[in-house]
Amino acid sequence: QSVLTQPPSVSGAPGQRVTISCTGSSSNIGAGYDVHWYQQLPGTAPKLLIYGNSNRPSGVPDRFSGSKSGTSASLAITGLQAEDEADYYCQSYDSSLKSFGGGTKLTVL
Amino acid sequence: QVQLVQSGAEVKKPGASVKVSCKASGYTFTSYGISWVRQAPGQGLEWMGWISAYNGNTNYAQKLQGRVTMTTDTSTSTAYMELRSLRSDDTAVYYCARDRNPWRECDYWGQGTLVTVSS
Repeated sequence: QSVLTQPPSVSGAPGQRVTISCTGSSSNIGAGYDVHWYQQLPGTAPKLLIYGNSNRPSGVPDRFSGSKSGTSASLAITGLQAEDEADYYCQSYDSSLKSFGGGTKLTVL
Repeated sequence: QVQLVQSGAEVKKPGASVKVSCKASGYTFTSYGISWVRQAPGQGLEWMGWISAYNGNTNYAQKLQGRVTMTTDTSTSTAYMELRSLRSDDTAVYYCARDRNPWRECDYWGQGTLVTVSS
């Protein structure tokens, strides 16, 4: 059971905007720890998508954005593309442990 | 460019041990740490622990305490993860990933090593 809660699945049509939530508590996100997001394409290693709540590593399209408020964070993807179909994970820190959310499967309809 | 290259797939019997390596290149090894993350078939990411390549300090997930040991060899820029007393539910892909501290992001990942535990 993860301390960070994500919806198991989200979906959207090409070109649409989708958001993925990551709900924590006062011991992780609410304690001020940053949230990071990863994209995992089928059969591959996770890839860093957003770090420090809202920063994109070099090479990540600006269609991907992150935000944090209170005890939650969100990943938004605009202009949805077929290649965005993947699993997405949030990550923060809680009780001296790196903690991942349970993951969200994004389906592009 | 930063690369983390892991050792190959392993098949182990229950009760055995496995040691996975992760060779780093393209950066100053001792300026970062290495997290180990595993993913059981069809499941999410599970953080196993972290080791500082600077001083060897470790931080292990409580559920693996006593069964896992993480080490580094700075002469070869290689990190190691040993898991003992293997059980069937240890079957997973094991990843190493670079990060500065356990609360920071993992910015580069190894390709993963499949460990299968089966009698």
